[in-house]
This record gives sequence, C-alpha cells and structure tokens, in this order.
Amino acid sequence: AQKVTQAQTEISVVEKEDVTLDCVYETRDTTYYLFWYKQPPSGELVFLIRRNSFDEQNEISGRYSWNFQKSTSSFNFTITASQVVDSAVYFCALSETAGGTSYGKLTFGQGTILTVHP
Amino acid sequence: DARVTQTPRHKVTEMGQEVTMRCQPILGHNTVFWYRQTMMQGLELLAYFRNRAPLDDSGMPKDRFSAEMPDATLATLKIQPSEPRDSAVYFCASGLGPGQGAGTQYFGPGTRLTVL
Repeated sequence: AQKVTQAQTEISVVEKEDVTLDCVYETRDTTYYLFWYKQPPSGELVFLIRRNSFDEQNEISGRYSWNFQKSTSSFNFTITASQVVDSAVYFCALSETAGGTSYGKLTFGQGTILTVHP
Repeated sequence: DARVTQTPRHKVTEMGQEVTMRCQPILGHNTVFWYRQTMMQGLELLAYFRNRAPLDDSGMPKDRFSAEMPDATLATLKIQPSEPRDSAVYFCASGLGPGQGAGTQYFGPGTRLTVL
C-alpha cells in the first residue's frame, strides 16, 4: 500500500524567512509520480509540481524549489523568502502506476499548514 | 485558462434531503475524480471515472452515495438521504490518463456542503 507522510502539521514563519516542508513516501512501485498541491484560504487545490521517479534533478521555480531524494524516499519543498501570500495548506501526493503507467489515482498526505506572518 | 467548474459552491440542506453536486471537467480530460475533505479525515477519494466509466468507487458509502457521468462534460455526485456526517467540502478533479502526462489532477473550487 502506498503512503505519504507529512510530519509537520503546522509551520509558522515570519515573512522573508526560508521554510522547508517535508514529505516522505512509501511505495513498492519502481515507477511513480510525486506531486505538491497548494490550498490557499480560498479553498481550491492548486497544482504546483509533478515529478517522476526517474528524474531526481532538483527543480526551481521562482521562490519555490523541490528536492527529490529516492534514497530517503523524500520529496521536500522549500519556499525561499516567504511571503504572506504563501500562507496555505500544502499537500504532497503520490500517484500509483501499473507497469510504469500512471492511472491517475493519488494518495495524499495529511497536509502542512503554513502561516507566514508579516 | 481551462478550469474545472463545480456547482453549487455552497449548499445547506436538512438531514434526509437529496443533494446533487455537479462538475464540469476540463475539456479533453478523460478522467474525473470525486474527493471529500474534512478536518478529521483529510482528503478522501470517493470515486473516479475514465472515459465516463466508473473505475473505482470503493471510497464511497454505497447505500447513500452515487456518482455518474451522463456525458463527457458532466459528472454528478448524489447523496440520498443526506446526513449531518456528510458535511464536508466535495472536490471534483480532472486529468488525463493513462500514460505519459497522466497523473496530474486539476481541481475544481469545491462544493461546501452543510447538512443540518
């Protein structure tokens, strides 16, 4: 069975601080996909990134960066110079595959509530 | 900017009433998911469809919940009769699959259901 663990339930930082959200996953698949979603106070879940298990390169998008390490089954998300607008719940998710083909079903972590104070 | 739409956005009803939630997936997406989000349980997958056929509805209470896709542009989730424990936010998501590019789900704004 697949599992995603986000051990940090809540994180509180002051604006301009860097913050890292942890995600650890379990799967028996050799090919899989990892995701991060953001859920701002408005409630909608916003897709941030998708990464497949064969691509361990770190990714940077503006102030956001992701560190994927297969050796530790982790896919951590860092926000640099955080802003108040980053306040949201962040979900890490894992996609099942069958023979390397993703069928789209996601297993979500419990989410990390990030609060950025001015 | 293609988006998943859901109606209604908010619904307040009394216990025992029928509730129908609707979802319009992104045009061209062949997979539709229904989720329920509560504080206690987090995000739970209720059911999903591919090419309008149900693939998995094991997360859904069968006695009162039903999900359908009458056509490629409409998915419905029905609760009959509703109970207070059904109060939650219900999300619809759509995506492509299987194969390359599959897996990414795009979520609608959700329907906040309150059953009194």
